Amino acid sequence: QSALTQPASVSGSPGQSITFSCTGTSTDVGRYNYVSWYQQYPGKAPKVIIYNVSNRPSGVSDRFSGSKSGNTASLTISGLQAEDEADYYCSSYTSDVTVVFGAGTRLTVL
Amino acid sequence: EVQLVESGGGLAQPGGSLRLSCVGSGFSFSSYWIHWVRQAPGKGLEWVSGISTDGSGTKYADSVKGRFTISRDNAKNTLFLQMNSLRAEETAVYYCARDIGSWWFDPWGQGTLVTVSS
Repeated sequence: QSALTQPASVSGSPGQSITFSCTGTSTDVGRYNYVSWYQQYPGKAPKVIIYNVSNRPSGVSDRFSGSKSGNTASLTISGLQAEDEADYYCSSYTSDVTVVFGAGTRLTVL
Repeated sequence: EVQLVESGGGLAQPGGSLRLSCVGSGFSFSSYWIHWVRQAPGKGLEWVSGISTDGSGTKYADSVKGRFTISRDNAKNTLFLQMNSLRAEETAVYYCARDIGSWWFDPWGQGTLVTVSS
């Protein structure tokens, strides 16, 4: 149950598009389309923004999109806004019938 | 409003025990898997355990297997996490979260802080 690999931090300017990566293995990200992404503000509970690789829950901005290629999933935020500054975590279902999270990526909006 | 509310956190000594609770409201509690996820101070999320709709199926992270027990009382819309043999490194905010059906979680509770220290 090793954590998924995410970059520790990324930054971007308002209006830019930015992409987060999330790398797993053939027993989790690479095997199942059960990758989710969560946004977390300091001191708050996480909130799902993408599920099943590329689906957005109702109420989530269409500026958020997800994809997957092989063992790596990606989250893209287009038209970056100051309010997007937060921590982002990916997660995946695994062949052990468990869930594994990434270590998280801190987004800084310059 | 769909809501989960955790309670039971607090201070425990290394080697000690604590029991967390999570009450669900605004949805059919017995129809969903529910999970526990923790977050150590300044660290990332770590999945801890999950339980099936009727409680007959349980899963644990290797790090807590044999020490933590997840259970539920659907009549009271309540999820539990019995934590034994606690370690200092398990100091964290513990969240409960509803599994929508394909291993994504929504909503999450507000979390309850567990501090393991002498």
